Amino acid sequence: RKEVEQDPGPFNVPEGATVAFNCTYSNSASQSFFWYRQDCRKEPKLLMSVYSSGNEDGRFTAQLNRASQYISLLIRDSKLSDSATYLCVVNILYEAGTALIFGKGTTLSVSS
Amino acid sequence: DAGVIQSPRHEVTEMGQEVTLRCKPISGHDYLFWYRQTMMRGLELLIYFNNNVPIDDSGMPEDRFSAKMPNASFSTLKIQPSEPRDSAVYFCASRGTGWDEQFFGPGTRLTVL
Repeated sequence: RKEVEQDPGPFNVPEGATVAFNCTYSNSASQSFFWYRQDCRKEPKLLMSVYSSGNEDGRFTAQLNRASQYISLLIRDSKLSDSATYLCVVNILYEAGTALIFGKGTTLSVSS
Repeated sequence: DAGVIQSPRHEVTEMGQEVTLRCKPISGHDYLFWYRQTMMRGLELLIYFNNNVPIDDSGMPEDRFSAKMPNASFSTLKIQPSEPRDSAVYFCASRGTGWDEQFFGPGTRLTVL
């Protein structure tokens, strides 16, 4: 079983649409949670951290459910520039230290 | 302010050749990570260093892979001998102590023929 699982998509939506991505993780020792964004042929970049109480950054809302080991990202009023791959990331504490475990990503394509 | 720097950006080599990838982390960051990304397996952690010391190399696929960090501003990932299945994008990332965010370099796209 993969440690972080995401629906690979692609999600094809029109401008202005609302789209939601889901992610599940298997390791209950996961300490912190993030969404990274990766543009085609570029490096991943932090989009936002995910807090237990849920958090919002402009058009982006992230939610965490520790009991269900589930993370979500909601994008409202999609823009063409939102087209990218969104990586769900968990930070796991283990014997040797901590490590970020990345999901394989969900691809979003926003069209006009 | 310079981000993480990687070189070369692209590398094409033949099977059996030695490949060396280079990384300069962000100044002041004391953690350095090497990742490999493929379509099949996604982004995988290979090894990471803290204060130039390797902490966890359990992700290194086999003995053909080795990594060093001789000082705080430089790290190498070496593959010897290279094989076609090593073809991937190799990312280096760094972060500071107490910070969760990792900053990635632009990656090295490796093709082994």
